[in-house]
Amino acid sequence: ETGVTQSPTHLIKTRGQQVTLRCSSQSGHNTVSWYQQALGQGPQFIFQYYREEENGRGNFPPRFSGLQFPNYSSELNVNALELDDSALYLCASSLETNQPQHFGDGTRLSIL
Amino acid sequence: EDQVTQSPEALRLQEGESSSLNCSYTVSGLRGLFWYRQDPGKGPEFLFTLYSAGEEKEKERLKATLTKKESFLHITAPKPEDSATYLCAVQAPFFGNEKLTFGTGTRLTIIP
Repeated sequence: ETGVTQSPTHLIKTRGQQVTLRCSSQSGHNTVSWYQQALGQGPQFIFQYYREEENGRGNFPPRFSGLQFPNYSSELNVNALELDDSALYLCASSLETNQPQHFGDGTRLSIL
Repeated sequence: EDQVTQSPEALRLQEGESSSLNCSYTVSGLRGLFWYRQDPGKGPEFLFTLYSAGEEKEKERLKATLTKKESFLHITAPKPEDSATYLCAVQAPFFGNEKLTFGTGTRLTIIP
């Protein structure tokens, strides 16, 4: 029902590499947010895009970047991967910024 | 800074044994409080939004309530399929968008 799909489901990288995670939002959802969830923790806000423009950012360094496309898809890019980047990365979309956010099942990223 | 604290961290109940989960929050200008359910290996599933003190929402065996400082998720006569981690999040204005700030969740186990 949520209509948010993420790929890939799992990914293994080594320190220093770069990674791109993808998200397909539900049609018509103008807002997409990305979160990082470490094991046993709640999701932490990375950034939000509204109609293809960055609309706010959490406490994450610039090596975390993103894009949102007109077809309701989006990307999270992480450069210079560190061991602490190992986590579940979640994408969430909503009709507008003040509407409930609906999550995908995430990408599990492991850094070796 | 927005803060959300959930208690207890974990809760084990017998099937049919009712209880409540707590979510305490501090936020400037609450726009909404959200409850999500998260199953292992899955993304959070939206349950409820509460906007103002005194508001209540119900869905099957779940009932969410809100005061000015906390929210409760009441579970009545739970079944094993209610076992999951329940996440609480607050939404406040943040540079024009409304990010979600999550607690660490309550891991609920219902024993048959």
